Amino acid sequence: GAVVSQHPSWVICKSGTSVKIECRSLDFQATTMFWYRQFPKQSLMLMATSNEGSKATYEQGVEKDKFLINHASLTLSTLTVTSAHPEDSSFYICSAEKNLVSYNEQFFGPGTRLTVL
Amino acid sequence: DAKTTQPNSMESNEEEPVHLPCNHSTISGTDYIHWYRQLPSQGPEYVIHGLTSNVNNRMASLAIAEDRKSSTLILHRATLRDAAVYYCILRDFGANTGNQFYFGTGTSLTVIP
Repeated sequence: GAVVSQHPSWVICKSGTSVKIECRSLDFQATTMFWYRQFPKQSLMLMATSNEGSKATYEQGVEKDKFLINHASLTLSTLTVTSAHPEDSSFYICSAEKNLVSYNEQFFGPGTRLTVL
Repeated sequence: DAKTTQPNSMESNEEEPVHLPCNHSTISGTDYIHWYRQLPSQGPEYVIHGLTSNVNNRMASLAIAEDRKSSTLILHRATLRDAAVYYCILRDFGANTGNQFYFGTGTSLTVIP
């Protein structure tokens, strides 16, 4: 199998503070990870593609200076929400890409619920 | 990216088959058809994927139209644990692509005991 974990599973912070969310592939190496955001009753929205050893690629409309992504190793990517505000409250989900024989499959983490007061 | 269209919601009785449709009329030759499902407050879970031929696995079957402009996810016997939002996603494995997933609105499946 392939397991992706996220830490923390939930976090509450004050407005103006920064929050770091970790995404780990536990039993495989992932050169590519993805970060998504999901608001209540809505679908997942891709925020950025994280590549190990290089800068992340952000989707249009996502502020790269606000959502800092670091993919420092083949098993860990981090998303830091800087100067968080209530509108950043959301469910953040990562996925990691596993290279199979003829196909690259994405495995998703359980998500991190961020609440900004 | 090619888009998909799914009904917003469907209902099924427990232990009956469920057919979840997906339209993707602008699909390209290098697009794979993927199905994921998401239970409340969890990350999406892989269900099945295919390119041209019908596919079966332990979770479901995927029926792909001959022109590939539509597909159907089949759950052979719905259980209460199958209640989730089901996403049909196209992913381009052609050259110069990043293998990203762009999720649509999905179908919320309710299973009635």
